[in-house]
Amino acid sequence: QKEVEQDPGPLSVPEGAIVSLNCTYSNSAFQYFMWYRQYSRKGPELLMYTYSSGNKEDGRFTAQVDKSSKYISLFIRDSQPSDSATYLCAMSDQAGTALIFGKGTTLSVSS
Amino acid sequence: GAVVSQHPSWVICKSGTSVKIECRSLDFQATTMFWYRQFPKQSLMLMATSNEGSKATYEQGVEKDKFLINHASLTLSTLTVTSAHPEDSSFYICSASSIGQGPQETQYFGPGTRLLVL
Repeated sequence: QKEVEQDPGPLSVPEGAIVSLNCTYSNSAFQYFMWYRQYSRKGPELLMYTYSSGNKEDGRFTAQVDKSSKYISLFIRDSQPSDSATYLCAMSDQAGTALIFGKGTTLSVSS
Repeated sequence: GAVVSQHPSWVICKSGTSVKIECRSLDFQATTMFWYRQFPKQSLMLMATSNEGSKATYEQGVEKDKFLINHASLTLSTLTVTSAHPEDSSFYICSASSIGQGPQETQYFGPGTRLLVL
């Protein structure tokens, strides 16, 4: 079983839809959870960072962490065509150590 | 803030040649830099962890003699792919963990270097 599982999609939604992206993980020691957005042929861009369990909101983006279920989510409200990208979840157990990435979910938002 | 650059962005080379990729943190000091490789439609795979002034730590299966990493300062790390072969063609991405730039647990990524070995 891989440490981090993420449905690769692709996920296609119309503009304005609410998007839900998810990852599950197996290592209960993970404490730091991130979501990155990666456009084609570009490096990943940090979107959201969460420590331990809970919710975090930033504009149209909401990140949720449920450590009891080993499940994290990213919600995108009022999705825009510019949100079309690959979204990668990443996590680590200690500060400053390498991240373990999911495979990424490819999202396409049509206008 | 928290900008990481990579140079070059694109490299095409002949089989057997060596290629050096630079990773720089432009506006912050990075305690640690990481090198990842990403194949098409795949996730990022960690190759090595690099701390300034010390030897890099390589992941299992990554040949340290083939992928030479030098972390000369808190703002510069280099990856040299020695005697490159077509199977080394990939997208190489570096990242940096920051001091004083948001949570240290986060990493800021460079734009990546696409290597094509003919």
